[in-house]
Amino acid sequence: EVKLVESGGDLVQPGRSLRLSCIASGFNFYEYAMHWVRQAPGKGLEWVSGLSWNSGTIAYADSVKGRFTVSRDNAKNSLYLQMNSLRPEDTAFYYCVKDTLRLLSKANIDYWGQGTLVTVSS
Amino acid sequence: DVVMTQSPLSLPVTLGQPASISCRSSQSLVYSDGNTYLSWFQQRPGQSPRRLIYKVSNRDSGVPDIFSGSGSGTDFTLKISRVEAEDLGVYYCMQGTHWPFTFGQGTRLEIK
Repeated sequence: EVKLVESGGDLVQPGRSLRLSCIASGFNFYEYAMHWVRQAPGKGLEWVSGLSWNSGTIAYADSVKGRFTVSRDNAKNSLYLQMNSLRPEDTAFYYCVKDTLRLLSKANIDYWGQGTLVTVSS
Repeated sequence: DVVMTQSPLSLPVTLGQPASISCRSSQSLVYSDGNTYLSWFQQRPGQSPRRLIYKVSNRDSGVPDIFSGSGSGTDFTLKISRVEAEDLGVYYCMQGTHWPFTFGQGTRLEIK
């Protein structure tokens, strides 16, 4: 059974940093591209970032480019999102999402984690 | 960015009746490999999204056959042949053909 478990969400002040983690199980993590998708409370879904199976290709939404950094550790079956210079508009549930493809040239996401809530407020 | 436009945004339905959701993209979603990376997701209240359909019309394992996807190019549809209570929630289309990958606004399926 595919499982994606996010952690690291918290209440932080604007301008501060936070690091999200996702631990994967039930599949060969090293074989697949992975993504972060967020959802502001009561709102729709927004793709945030993705990286290919070997981190060779990484992409970000314009809304987070230059502030967020995605990474993975295939030996630990883990995906990370380092979020710097946080803004109130970054408040959202952040989902760790698996792809069915290895590369990031296109996306065919399938499984989602349960999400972790990041609240940016003073 | 490719804009994904869903309609309607709210869909009141009677249990046992069919429902249909439209999703239109601002550019063709056909990738150079010939595939069209258009998926449909269901999000029940308080839950994470769950994929129902991938590459336009392929139903995921465990998804009831009351769900079907169709379309091509820029025009896509999700149909539910007869709505059941457990189908209530928000449905999203998503394109994975062009960077950045984008979602529709969501269609809320609710009881009439």
